[in-house]
Amino acid sequence: NAGVTQTPKFQVLKTGQSMTLQCAQDMNHEYMSWYRQDPGMGLRLIHYSVGAGITDQGEVPNGYNVSRSTTEDFPLRLLSAAPSQTSVYFCASSYLTGVSGEQYFGPGTRLTVT
Amino acid sequence: DQQVKQNSPSLSVQEGRISILNCDYTNSMFDYFLWYKKYPAEGPTFLISISSIKDKNEDGRFTVFLNKSAKHLSLHIVPSQPGDSAVYFCAASSHGSSNTGKLIFGQGTTLQVKP
Repeated sequence: NAGVTQTPKFQVLKTGQSMTLQCAQDMNHEYMSWYRQDPGMGLRLIHYSVGAGITDQGEVPNGYNVSRSTTEDFPLRLLSAAPSQTSVYFCASSYLTGVSGEQYFGPGTRLTVT
Repeated sequence: DQQVKQNSPSLSVQEGRISILNCDYTNSMFDYFLWYKKYPAEGPTFLISISSIKDKNEDGRFTVFLNKSAKHLSLHIVPSQPGDSAVYFCAASSHGSSNTGKLIFGQGTTLQVKP
């Protein structure tokens, strides 16, 4: 049971380049989400999904795309990277319940855009 | 518009003493509150939570208090240990009818417990 895995751990991009951050979970969780962590800002929700084929925007969705073709995977795409997207990105997953908000986080991807 | 605020960026306490971390929120629709702990180069890990129908929840050395009228919650750690040194995030969610469990996080408070 690997939990939530993210690849890569580190990435450096030039402005305008595209890339996909990978996220996978093996806990059969319906809910998956992407956050970015910036100094003094906490974690901000980018996109989330409540099941395969269903995605929605969070607080800061601009510049990012997501898709959810399987329960296990939830990749985050940057189509044209900008320096403002330099951040640490965390993927999280949880069961979709009415009472528990506990989410399991991956180890993070540190992205630098130059 | 920060719906969840942790106004103290850092806190330093002596080992064995109590650590009190505070969190304020503005959205009265929040009905579930959580605390996460984060070590450097790792993802956040769930620590403790509380439903809005309660005012206190305990788990070992960790207790969370909720004051709905003041829209304030706090995390008490007693006794504090050096291994508790980490960044602590407060988070809130509003399930309502959507049941999505989206979490809104505060900015985090860095706790240092000195031996």
